[in-house]
Amino acid sequence: AQSVTQLGSHVSVSEGALVLLRCNYSSSVPPYLFWYVQYPNQGLQLLLKYTSAATLVKGINGFEAEFKKSETSFHLTKPSAHMSDAAEYFCAYSGAGSYQLTFGKGTKLSVIP
Amino acid sequence: DAGVIQSPRHEVTEMGQEVTLRCKPISGHDYLFWYRQTMMRGLELLIYFNNNVPIDDSGMPEDRFSAKMPNASFSTLKIQPSEPRDSAVYFCATRPGRGVAEAFFGQGTRLTVV
Repeated sequence: AQSVTQLGSHVSVSEGALVLLRCNYSSSVPPYLFWYVQYPNQGLQLLLKYTSAATLVKGINGFEAEFKKSETSFHLTKPSAHMSDAAEYFCAYSGAGSYQLTFGKGTKLSVIP
Repeated sequence: DAGVIQSPRHEVTEMGQEVTLRCKPISGHDYLFWYRQTMMRGLELLIYFNNNVPIDDSGMPEDRFSAKMPNASFSTLKIQPSEPRDSAVYFCATRPGRGVAEAFFGQGTRLTVV
């Protein structure tokens, strides 16, 4: 069965510092991978997705993620954190040909002024 | 398109009462998912539909929970009777049948059972 692991339930960074949120997946089939962001009292919004094209994926708000098959990872990065990036971030997996999304537990990002 | 629309946004009810959560999917999306979000368990898939037909309800916690999709424009998630442990945020999400791989989420319904 597939699973998604997000390392660190809570990450704090200073404003202007690098953001790195980690995601690993386990699956025996090629994955589609996603990062979603959730602001307080809101639904989930797609940041970016990997669907077997380029391994480095750029998303909204300056975020990007790199798919590394050998490491079964899909870490999310942003060069310089902004206060507005404070939110909860979810990594999700879908097997190619499947229509379900499996989510990680989420990582809450705090940005310190 | 207005996106996935859920109602109500907030619901407070007493233990033992029936609760009905509603979802209007994005027009043309063939798949509809109901998720539950709690601090302890994160996001859990409860059930999903394809072309109005329930495909997998293995995530429904118990018989008190039921979901229907009578047509392509409407789905409900019902809890009867409700219990305090059902308190959570319930999300509806939809996606097209082909091409785009991601799901689009509604704003959620925050349910509190007292």
